[in-house]
Amino acid sequence: EIVLTQSPGTLSLSPGETATLSCWASQSVSSDHLAWFQQKPGQAPRLLIYGASNRATGIPDRFSGSGSGTDFTLTISRLEPEDFAVYYCHQYGNSPPWTFGQGTKVEIK
Amino acid sequence: QVQLVQSGAEVKKPGSSVKVSCKTSGGTFSSYSISWVRQAPGQGLEWMGKILPIFGTVDYAQKFQGRVAITADESTSTAYMELSSLRSEDTAVYYCARGVFSDYWGQGTLVTVSS
Repeated sequence: EIVLTQSPGTLSLSPGETATLSCWASQSVSSDHLAWFQQKPGQAPRLLIYGASNRATGIPDRFSGSGSGTDFTLTISRLEPEDFAVYYCHQYGNSPPWTFGQGTKVEIK
Repeated sequence: QVQLVQSGAEVKKPGSSVKVSCKTSGGTFSSYSISWVRQAPGQGLEWMGKILPIFGTVDYAQKFQGRVAITADESTSTAYMELSSLRSEDTAVYYCARGVFSDYWGQGTLVTVSS
């Protein structure tokens, strides 16, 4: 099983700043099958990024994903008030089980 | 548009079973995998397993092996997740999600396990 470790656990930032979230995998994620989700309280997760760097439909371009192999990053530029939430990375490689990281909370400073 | 609608909240006794449904509309049901993900109160997301209806193939997280069964009914475009031998730690919101990317999610079903 691939273990995903996210860092930091909590990120305290002000609107307009840039958030950089990291996700490390215990082994290489096949074909960069790595996604990022945003979750707000009481809501289902929302897909932001798939294939490590592809924005999902309707996702603003201030969200960008990068990385490959075992090292992935989600960058949120120019934080908007609605971006303060919990973010999860998720690997959906060719060999299940699929797994999630433990999450990073982006909070208002 | 694609929608996943899950069954309602459940309260169960320890040792019993629960079966949660996920009815999909829009898109071709059989061609997309359906994953089940749970979230305990105040905790993160936990992947439980998935099914690909067109082949009927299932994969489970090792943690739930032997205790979970994921099935699909193509005639009604509905997927099911049954969890048995429930314990208090299974209290969580259970979600279904469509496709490899999990681009569409159900609204979640709260399962409470309490004596």
